[in-house]
Amino acid sequence: GAGVSQSPSNKVTEKGKDVELRCDPISGHTALYWYRQSLGQGLEFLIYFQGNSAPDKSGLPSDRFSAERTGGSVSTLTIQRTQQEDSAVYLCASSLGGGAGTGELFFGEGSRLTVL
Amino acid sequence: GESVGLHLPTLSVQEGDNSIINCAYSNSASDYFIWYKQESGKGPQFIIDIRSNMDKRQGQRVTVLLNKTVKHLSLQIAATQPGDSAVYFCAETPDYKLSFGAGTTVTVRA
Repeated sequence: GAGVSQSPSNKVTEKGKDVELRCDPISGHTALYWYRQSLGQGLEFLIYFQGNSAPDKSGLPSDRFSAERTGGSVSTLTIQRTQQEDSAVYLCASSLGGGAGTGELFFGEGSRLTVL
Repeated sequence: GESVGLHLPTLSVQEGDNSIINCAYSNSASDYFIWYKQESGKGPQFIIDIRSNMDKRQGQRVTVLLNKTVKHLSLQIAATQPGDSAVYFCAETPDYKLSFGAGTTVTVRA
């Protein structure tokens, strides 16, 4: 498809397990974002990738969270030793150019994570 | 820290009426503002944006107004339709990192 693709769409895991969430951005988009959306809340910035530059990780809530972007395309968000408060929808977005201030962000449909 | 917020968490509108959704922001350095629509189970969808050198911008059935003096942003939807039922978020940025408000849930009554 032509949009941002995220997988899995739903993930249920047990507390303490590790999870990986994947994002396939729109082809050619150099900027990639991860946001977290808790139930009934707005979007919380997690991390930003732009081309080959060092990512902005300022939004990651703890060292259990990490993300990488391979080859400037696909990104994986990893949460280690998951906790119940990690339960949320994790949204990925991509943009052509420098990001939000220079172009529209296109969001995927999100990965809903439930930690039991 | 600075934040973006919406005045009302819910808005009920009669089909065919105009809707106005308000947003207050506090980061005076922000120069780009966006409204997003999020339907249940989907990611946010871009509606309209505006830069700080403008105070009004119109799209198809939507208008965004920006008042930098009082740091206020609004989204007007003309002739609201059932398909407009969703959560609406305002977002702001001074650079590349968007900050989102908590959202306003719009319900359209038939």
